[in-house]
Amino acid sequence: KQEVTQIPAALSVPEGENLVLNCSFTDSAIYNLQWFRQDPGKGLTSLLLIQSSQREQTSGRLNASLDKSSGRSTLYIAASQPGDSATYLCAVIEGAQKLVFGQGTRLTINP
Amino acid sequence: EAGVVQSPRYKIIEKKQPVAFWCNPISGHNTLYWYRQNLGQGPELLIRYENEEAVDDSQLPKDRFSAERLKGVDSTLKIQPAELGDSAVYLCASSLDSHSYEQYFGPGTRLTVT
Repeated sequence: KQEVTQIPAALSVPEGENLVLNCSFTDSAIYNLQWFRQDPGKGLTSLLLIQSSQREQTSGRLNASLDKSSGRSTLYIAASQPGDSATYLCAVIEGAQKLVFGQGTRLTINP
Repeated sequence: EAGVVQSPRYKIIEKKQPVAFWCNPISGHNTLYWYRQNLGQGPELLIRYENEEAVDDSQLPKDRFSAERLKGVDSTLKIQPAELGDSAVYLCASSLDSHSYEQYFGPGTRLTVT
């Protein structure tokens, strides 16, 4: 059974810092990996989707990498801003569009 | 374009009472998902529909949970009777079709069972 783990569970950093969120998974037979953002009381917003044949994806200040062989992905956030405060979830996509989520990292950016 | 709509947004009930959640997916999206998210955890899939057919309900606790998507558009998830452990956020998501990896999530319904 696929297990997805995110470390750390919570992270607090000063504004302007670069930071890395980690995601690991136990079964490398995945189709894709996706990073989401969840704001309190709201649903999930997709940030980046990395296909299994890719090693990274970039969108603005966000960069996500994928290493299937080691079962790891990272989300890099450059020049963090208070508006980046949210919970970040990674999910591996298995066959038939099944998403298996990690428990999330709660990120706080302090002004 | 309207996103995934869910109602109610919040629900508080006593244990053993029934409760129902409603979801209207993005127009034209054939695939609909219900997830449950416990506090401090990621969402877990309960059921997936392709049009009106439930193609994956292996994680749905069938003794008390039921779902329907009669016309292949909106969907209802029901719990009867509710238990204290059912307190969670219930998320609905939709995607264009079975070949699309992009799932779009609604805001969820926060259920509290007392």
